[in-house]
Amino acid sequence: ETGVTQTPRHLVMGMTNKKSLKCEQHLGHNAMYWYKQSAKKPLELMFVYNFKEQTENNSVPSRFSPECPNSSHLFLHLHTLQPEDSALYLCASSQAGEGGPGEQYFGPGTRLTVT
Amino acid sequence: GQNIDQPTEMTATEGAIVQINCTYQTSGFNGLFWYQQHAGEAPTFLSYNVLDGLEEKGRFSSFLSRSKGYSYLLLKELQMKDSASYLCAVRDSNYQLIWGAGTKLIIKP
Repeated sequence: ETGVTQTPRHLVMGMTNKKSLKCEQHLGHNAMYWYKQSAKKPLELMFVYNFKEQTENNSVPSRFSPECPNSSHLFLHLHTLQPEDSALYLCASSQAGEGGPGEQYFGPGTRLTVT
Repeated sequence: GQNIDQPTEMTATEGAIVQINCTYQTSGFNGLFWYQQHAGEAPTFLSYNVLDGLEEKGRFSSFLSRSKGYSYLLLKELQMKDSASYLCAVRDSNYQLIWGAGTKLIIKP
């Protein structure tokens, strides 16, 4: 149990569908992240929220839309995705800015397949 | 550009020792992390180095040389459950993590 949960664990969607991924952290952290993990590639940081404010958007296509309603919840809204968006989407949280390593804790991920 | 290099795959024998290397070129340096990721699972934090030298944590140790842009993760007394991918990540000057592609470690009996 890592303290970060994600739903759904698996998702198959067509290119015209709209779906949302949900992440919740129970660790009291102040920063949350969305990553994309494709086979044999480095983790790709998509979005960062510090204290609910989005501080990073690494040139992610607009078909991915994040939402952070509070410091414990993070959503990734998906619409009109492409087959190349099929990947494992990981959510993570950390305690930023208080000294220490500020290591990230990851959820189990959502395995997304776009057909 | 920023770059993290680590071997794609390594094989070792149960009970032995293995060293996984990581070299990096990043815009600034604010610490290096090692994570373990079992197949189909989330990455989990293993170790953190920000100063040169060796950090030991049970069977796992991590070494850092900032002048050489180099780190290694040393795993002793290998067990079958150590079969996993090991991810090296560097926190850059913007405090963002730059990740390597991971090293898949296969442990054989």
